[in-house]
Parts: sequence; structure tokens; C-alpha cells
Amino acid sequence: QVQLVESGGGLVKPGGSVRLSCAASGFTFSNYYMAWIRQAPGKGLEWVSYISNANTYTSYTDSVKGRFTISRDNAKNSLYLQMNSLRADDTAVYYCAREVSGWFDFWGQGTLVTVSS
Amino acid sequence: DIQLTQSPSFLSASVGDRVTITCRASQGISSYLAWYQQKPGKAPKLLISAASTLQSGFPSRFSGSGSGTEFTLTISSLQPEDFATYYCQQLHDYPRTFGQGTKVEIK
Repeated sequence: QVQLVESGGGLVKPGGSVRLSCAASGFTFSNYYMAWIRQAPGKGLEWVSYISNANTYTSYTDSVKGRFTISRDNAKNSLYLQMNSLRADDTAVYYCAREVSGWFDFWGQGTLVTVSS
Repeated sequence: DIQLTQSPSFLSASVGDRVTITCRASQGISSYLAWYQQKPGKAPKLLISAASTLQSGFPSRFSGSGSGTEFTLTISSLQPEDFATYYCQQLHDYPRTFGQGTKVEIK
């Protein structure tokens, strides 16, 4: 069965960096676009970034452009999000999700990133 | 960016009630809309794709309709396990955007 397992979250100081990982299993990872979606505490869902299946295309929401970088390693069935220059408003649960035809059909359980001094 | 506005933001209903949630897009998005169900502490689950295609695992009391700028999610007879927050999402353009959510609570 499809599984997505995020890791790498934790407490980070403002201006700091963290790298999130998402381990995928149960499907042919290299065939699918993947995305990161976040949810601030008590708030709604916010799409952060996506990457095409062959690493060719990426896109980011405006608030993270220049600070976050999405990448993937198809040989390792893994998705990553490098997050730099973190701010308090980046505090959220970060979900990785599989994208199919534009919707997100499977989600991981999420990893919490807290940006605080 | 395409803005999605859900109404209502909060809904209090009883078991057995018919519930309708509306999602309005700031521009036409054809049928490029999905709905998700999220329960507290859990990841969202894809409920409906392409505006009206119900995903496997969800009962037929859930239905979606609409195209262009106005969409609806209907629960024909609300059950205890349906109390959750529901989000719409447009897949017409990047950035993908979500509605602000509709929380369905027990009356």
C-alpha cells in the first residue's frame, strides 16, 4: 500500500535551516509528481511546492521562494524540502503528498516544524 | 493566484441532516476542483476529484457538483463519522490553492 513518511521536523531558531525528508513506498515513486503542503497550528492548508517526476519542473508559493528548495532522489524513493532563513510564520505541520492530475491522493502523517527562539 | 472561498466556514448540524458546502473560485476553473476531509490530528484525505468523482472508501452519501466558479459538496445524511473539516482545492493553475475550510460540528 502507498506510504509516505515525513521526518526532519523540530524546533528551529529564526533564521535557521532544516531539511525535511519524505520516504515513499508502495508505488513507483519516479512516475509521480510530489508536493509539500503545510498547515499552521489551527489554520488551513497551504500548498508550498511541487516537483515533477523527473526533477524537471518545480514551483513554489511566493512566501517561500528563494528560501525553500524542493528536490527528490528517485533512486532512494525520497522527497526533500530544504528550508532556509526560517521565520516564525513558517511554523506548521508539513505534509508530503502524491500529486495525480493536480489533486493530492495520498498524504503522509506530517512533521511539525516550529520556528521559535 | 486563484482564490477559493468556502461557505460557511463553520456549520453545526445534526445526525441525519443534509449538508451543503459551497466553494467559489475567483476565476473559472472548469471542473478542476478537489475536496478533502480532515479529522483532528490527521492528514487530509482526498474525498472528491475533478469536482464530482467520489474516491473509493467514501460512502455514496457524499457528492460533489459544479463547474466554472461555483462548486458544492453535499452530504445527503450526516453521520457521526462525517464530523470533520472539509477543504476545496483548485488544480487549474499553480500555485495550487485551498479554500479556508468548513468545520462541520455536531449540533
